[in-house]
Amino acid sequence: AQSVSQHNHHVILSEAASLELGCNYSYGGTVNLFWYVQYPGQHLQLLLKYFSGDPLVKGIKGFEAEFIKSKFSFNLRKPSVQWSDTAEYFCAVKEGGYQKVTFGIGTKLQVIP
Amino acid sequence: KAGVTQTPRYLIKTRGQQVTLSCSPISGHRSVSWYQQTPGQGLQFLFEYFSETQRNKGNFPGRFSGRQFSNSRSEMNVSTLELGDSALYLCASSLALTGGAAGELFFGEGSRLTVL
Repeated sequence: AQSVSQHNHHVILSEAASLELGCNYSYGGTVNLFWYVQYPGQHLQLLLKYFSGDPLVKGIKGFEAEFIKSKFSFNLRKPSVQWSDTAEYFCAVKEGGYQKVTFGIGTKLQVIP
Repeated sequence: KAGVTQTPRYLIKTRGQQVTLSCSPISGHRSVSWYQQTPGQGLQFLFEYFSETQRNKGNFPGRFSGRQFSNSRSEMNVSTLELGDSALYLCASSLALTGGAAGELFFGEGSRLTVL
């Protein structure tokens, strides 16, 4: 069965620090990859996605992620975090022609002013 | 355009009871997925419906069931509730089946179920 692993469950950073959240998945075929974000008190929303083409994808609010097929990874990055980035971040994978999207356990990011 | 609407937002039940949760997807979205979110497990996939047919199912017991109506609205039901069923139940709708937007989910705010 497909699985998604997020390496850090809780990350605390100071404002302006750089961020990298790790994500690895187990499926070996064609995948669509996603990062979703859940801000406090809000619903889950899409941050960015990879479907095909350039493995470096850019999303909203200055976030980007790099798909490395050989490592089955899709790490999320941001050069300089802000207090408003405090949220929970979920990596997700959709395999092949199936509509099932599998989520990682999530990483809680706390940014200290 | 209205987002995904879930009702009720909060509910409290006791063990052994059953519960029905409702989800209205974004207009035009025909795929509806359900997830259970808990602090220790993240989002666990329950099932996905498209055009009134269940296409995918997660690893949950048969007490968890769902259905989709012709207008794409969906319901999920949990029978014989257990304490461990306390969670946030999320509904997500999706438009595309293939291509770059495939799998992109639009979530509702969830129904928070507490089982006492």
